[in-house]
Amino acid sequence: DAKTTQPTSMDCAEGRAANLPCNHSTISGNEYVYWYRQIHSQGPQYIIHGLKNNETNEMASLIITEDRKSSTLILPHATLRDTAVYYCIVRVLGTGGFKTIFGAGTRLFVKA
Amino acid sequence: NAGVMQNPRHLVRRRGQEARLRCSPMKGHSHVYWYRQLPEEGLKFMVYLQKENIIDESGMPKERFSAEFPKEGPSILRIQQVVRGDSAAYFCASSPSGSNEQFFGPGTRLTVL
Repeated sequence: DAKTTQPTSMDCAEGRAANLPCNHSTISGNEYVYWYRQIHSQGPQYIIHGLKNNETNEMASLIITEDRKSSTLILPHATLRDTAVYYCIVRVLGTGGFKTIFGAGTRLFVKA
Repeated sequence: NAGVMQNPRHLVRRRGQEARLRCSPMKGHSHVYWYRQLPEEGLKFMVYLQKENIIDESGMPKERFSAEFPKEGPSILRIQQVVRGDSAAYFCASSPSGSNEQFFGPGTRLTVL
């Protein structure tokens, strides 16, 4: 699985958009970009994933650059409950199972 | 459909005792993964199991740690002769066959005194 690089921490004002960047310059053509988050002391929670097109769901939007070497997770209206560590992961989507390699992630602080 | 269940949620052991952590995957999921998270660190992969088989144990310490996922019942992560360095949160995840989407449980927090 390709390596990812994320900022250690970020701040965001409540109600504003939180934009979390991720670099994955060594990503392969068949590797997907996944985002998870871990709210304090809880298990990781899936947020969104994509291959090359931008994706949106009820939680967030994922913007992937055309060369796929970086992506941005967007929380459109951050709330205090979005304070968490956000993990960007790249891995192959295939049959069976694959271990997930978690990096250090970005610690997002949403402030009132 | 209940999510991934882990028990106990908190486990305290003295050095030298055994710890047994249980994980019940989501209904219909045949793949189970165990991860360990030390304080202030990210999750580290330990082992990946399918029913009755260990598929990838590249993250498991060579000694004292073992895992199983029997045909019937939950997956068990067993730590023998625990040491203080084993204190961590242990997370289990499951996924259905044909997908690598993983759903995580709430974790078991092991404290070794």
